[in-house]
Formats: sequence, C-alpha cells, structure tokens
Amino acid sequence: IAGITQAPTSQILAAGRRMTLRCTQDMRHNAMYWYRQDLGLGLRLIHYSNTAGTTGKGEVPDGYSVSRANTDDFPLTLASAVPSQTSVYFCASSEEAGGRTDTQYFGPGTRLTVL
Amino acid sequence: KQEVTQIPAALSVPEGENLVLNCSFTDSAIYNLQWFRQDPGKGLTSLLLIQSSQREQTSGRLNASLDKSSGRSTLYIAASQPGDSATYLCAVRLGKAAGNKLTFGGGTRVLVKP
Repeated sequence: IAGITQAPTSQILAAGRRMTLRCTQDMRHNAMYWYRQDLGLGLRLIHYSNTAGTTGKGEVPDGYSVSRANTDDFPLTLASAVPSQTSVYFCASSEEAGGRTDTQYFGPGTRLTVL
Repeated sequence: KQEVTQIPAALSVPEGENLVLNCSFTDSAIYNLQWFRQDPGKGLTSLLLIQSSQREQTSGRLNASLDKSSGRSTLYIAASQPGDSATYLCAVRLGKAAGNKLTFGGGTRVLVKP
C-alpha cells in the first residue's frame, strides 16, 4: 500500500540521548515535512525539504536536524533530547513544494517521551 | 504572522444533524486551504483542498467554502454519522515567497452521538 511509514511508533527516551525518527514514503513525492503536535499548540512545522538534497527550517527547528539524501527518506534527528521535545511527530509529503493543488499526506506519527 | 483559529474547540451533535465547522485566518493572502480529519492516535487525512481562486469544494457529504476577504472557511458535513466523530483541522498555505509551510488551526473535536 502506497503511503508514508514512520518508525518507531513510540519511544521513551532519557534526556541527553540522541534519537533519529525515521520517515519513508513510496509515492515519489518531491517535498517532505516534519511536524510536531502538542496539546494546545496544534501542529507546527519543524523542517522541510522541497526536493532531494535540499532542506529548510520551519517554525520550530531548534534542537532538530534533518537530511534528505534521496527522494524516499527524510530522517529527523534530536542530537541531545530534552523534555520539551516530548510530543507526537508527524512526517508528511507532497508531490511538489507549494503548488496550488498541493495536498500534503501524513504518516501515522511517532509518540516520543523524553524523561 | 498568519494565525488560524477554529471555534468551537469541541462539538457534539446527534446523528443525522448537519455539522458546521469554522476556520478563520488573519492573512488573506493565502495560496490554498486544506481541511484534514484526525482520528485519535492517528495521522491526518486530507479531506478537501480549496485553491485561493475557488469559493468552494465538494466531496460526497462534505462541502468546504472559502471567503478570502473575510478570512474564513467553513466545512459542512451533511447528515452526520457516528463514523464522522474525529478532530477536524484546517490549515492554510501562504505563497511560495512566504515559505513552504502549512499553518494549522487548533482543531474542532466532533462527537456524533448515535
């Protein structure tokens, strides 16, 4: 089934540890995105990539890094996790970056708890 | 800075009643607007996308309207069913020059009682 997969589904992590959230899409979409969803704050964009080999900062990029070595994969890394990074993380993709009919498709999410 | 608001935060209706969900945004220079559905513990599913040049978009029992000048969009769900219970989010995209991001509202949590 075509779509976006994220791993792990959930994770409990000690503060200070490094963590990489994985995201893979098989739709050959050019653009990919990482959001975090927090109660009362809604979804906020962390980083995005318009095409393989390029990345950009979203609304809340501090403490996170991304890479886009190929079209399908867009991992999100927390270099040294802090409790404020406890959240649900969603990866998304779209066929192009910013077209007028550019629907974003979302993965199932990763629930991360930093203690 | 674009702000997106959805009121009410929660809504409960009996089965069969029509649902009306509201979304307002502060910057009318939007590229498009999307409505999403999110089930508990799940990701978001796109329902409808309205281009900035459109006034409404329909899909089955769903109809979304867009009034850019007043900064409003409304999602109508006709003849609601218990399976429509979910959180509904709207999101706006500004033009490419403003960056490649969706700004989301806080969502409206809907419960349709059988």
